[in-house]
Amino acid sequence: DAGVTQSPTHLIKTRGQHVTLRCSPISGHKSVSWYQQVLGQGPQFIFQYYEKEERGRGNFPDRFSARQFPNYSSELNVNALLLGDSALYLCASSPAGTISGNTIYFGEGSWLTVV
Amino acid sequence: DQQVKQNSPSLSVQEGRISILNCDYTNSMFDYFLWYKKYPAEGPTFLISISSIKDKNEDGRFTVFLNKSAKHLSLHIVPSQPGDSAVYFCAASGDSGNEKLTFGTGTRLTIIP
Repeated sequence: DAGVTQSPTHLIKTRGQHVTLRCSPISGHKSVSWYQQVLGQGPQFIFQYYEKEERGRGNFPDRFSARQFPNYSSELNVNALLLGDSALYLCASSPAGTISGNTIYFGEGSWLTVV
Repeated sequence: DQQVKQNSPSLSVQEGRISILNCDYTNSMFDYFLWYKKYPAEGPTFLISISSIKDKNEDGRFTVFLNKSAKHLSLHIVPSQPGDSAVYFCAASGDSGNEKLTFGTGTRLTIIP
């Protein structure tokens, strides 16, 4: 079975541009979460979507947005890119919408460099 | 405000010995804890989890201990193998109705052959 797949794996953008990152969850998983990992830090929660509804939002500015499609895949959009947005963006999926007793599986991430 | 702390950025252990990775948390609402392992250029891989109703959970070479009164958990790896060399993240979740995980900053474990 395929794991969580993310695209693109690497990309370079210029300050002020917009970026769209994509994620396909494990088959049968209805929940998708997005995390940002800056070098030397642990991943930080950005969003969670379950059954196409936003379930949670982390402490990120409105430049960050996401959505989930009927096939449970998801997009993370970041507008007006700043140098500080350079990070590894991780997508995670799980079968249920809440954590208790659950396991969350991560993709390999999308490396974003803003120059 | 770092709610989950891994105070040892790195740890070196001889192959075959026990590796003990520690994690402290400050938020008393956390009730579910997970450990992830991460190799360079890969996403985090789930290792083991524990609910706050337990104080120990075991899976093969991996055991997680939870001390709720001290707000402390630890991951024991016995015996340590060279393939265990990676960055280990502790993560915690509370009853917030969603799957938000709060991660520590990670501990880089190096197993010395």
